[in-house]
Amino acid sequence: DTAVSQTPKYLVTQMGNDKSIKCEQNLGHDTMYWYKQDSKKFLKIMFSYNNKELIINETVPNRFSPKSPDKAHLNLHINSLELGDSAVYFCASSLSQGTGNTIYFGEGSWLTVV
Amino acid sequence: GENVEQHPSTLSVQEGDSAVIKCTYSDSASNYFPWYKQELGKGPQLIIDIRSNVGEKKDQRIAVTLNKTAKHFSLHITETQPEDSAVYFCAASTPHYKLSFGAGTTVTVRA
Repeated sequence: DTAVSQTPKYLVTQMGNDKSIKCEQNLGHDTMYWYKQDSKKFLKIMFSYNNKELIINETVPNRFSPKSPDKAHLNLHINSLELGDSAVYFCASSLSQGTGNTIYFGEGSWLTVV
Repeated sequence: GENVEQHPSTLSVQEGDSAVIKCTYSDSASNYFPWYKQELGKGPQLIIDIRSNVGEKKDQRIAVTLNKTAKHFSLHITETQPEDSAVYFCAASTPHYKLSFGAGTTVTVRA
């Protein structure tokens, strides 16, 4: 069984469109994350939620809006997509927000904006 | 915030040789240092980690060392195999819970 699953895996869309990426974890973890990996493989945290509450919100355009309906789900909605949004987006989870907790990553969602 | 630097960015080794990746961090409050391996088309996966109260940790062919005074830590892979080819990321976490990643090292093991 996949621990952290995200859909879609691939997404090609035009500039200006709005799109969502869904994420679910079946590990019973309290904390979930969204990371962005750019073309140079650099991994950067975007958001972190603990028990549905936002705890980390990095400097991300407000076109990006995370939503956590329950602690097992953290979706990412992106408005007015731009070329620079093209990247791989990883959902992840950890047991809790405390330091030292292993972060489990999903397989990634490849977003291409044309 | 925490700044993690990782070197080299690419590393090519002959099968059977050792590979070493080095990282430095800036925040002396960092106390947890995991290493992740990312295979092509996959998400990063934890392979080993070390905490600030330990200087060295080993798990089969991989080992990590930590020098808190110098604020650097390293990953050592011995007897490399083709399946070790991947991108490796170091990371450092402060007690404020945010994990900062290095830029990654692409390791290629030549058969």
